[in-house]
Amino acid sequence: GAGVSQSPSNKVTEKGKDVELRCDPISGHTALYWYRQRLGQGLEFLIYFQGNSAPDKSGLPSDRFSAERTGESVSTLTIQRTQQEDSAVYLCASSPSGGPGELFFGEGSRLTVL
Amino acid sequence: QKEVEQNSGPLSVPEGAIASLNCTYSDRGSQSFFWYRQYSGKSPELIMFIYSNGDKEDGRFTAQLNKASQYVSLLIRDSQPSDSATYLCAVRGNQGAQKLVFGQGTRLTINP
Repeated sequence: GAGVSQSPSNKVTEKGKDVELRCDPISGHTALYWYRQRLGQGLEFLIYFQGNSAPDKSGLPSDRFSAERTGESVSTLTIQRTQQEDSAVYLCASSPSGGPGELFFGEGSRLTVL
Repeated sequence: QKEVEQNSGPLSVPEGAIASLNCTYSDRGSQSFFWYRQYSGKSPELIMFIYSNGDKEDGRFTAQLNKASQYVSLLIRDSQPSDSATYLCAVRGNQGAQKLVFGQGTRLTINP
């Protein structure tokens, strides 16, 4: 597809379980971002990948959160031992090199931890 | 102090009037500034970006940047009910900090 694709669109899990969220960026986009958006709140930066450079992990809230990206393609965000406060929409965005740095967002993965 | 601050609103504006949305940022070295619109239940979409001090106009939208005051704003002229959404300000730092930091957003309602 032409846009950023995220899966699953919805995930309900029990507290303590691990979850994996996937992001497929727009082909050719070198930068990939993960954000978290709690209900009624703004976007909270989690992690940023740029090509083969070391990722900027400064926004990851705890060591339960990790993310990987294979080259300039798919990224996965993993949350271990989920807690209720992890409930949110997780948004992935990609951006081409050069240009204004516009982010193109996926539709998000809504995570509910019971 | 938050890196990017916005009044959460809600901001209510009558149809046809000018809506003014404001944003301040803490990193004086910030280089580029973005306004995104987010409809309820949808993902953010870019409205405008601005790099240089002054005004930048695109149709009914005008972005204004004042780096000395660390302030960026978005004006929407001839507001329409379809402009009702949350508007997110985003700021990118200097060369060594490529992450895009968002404010909490301002919820705008245009009243017919």
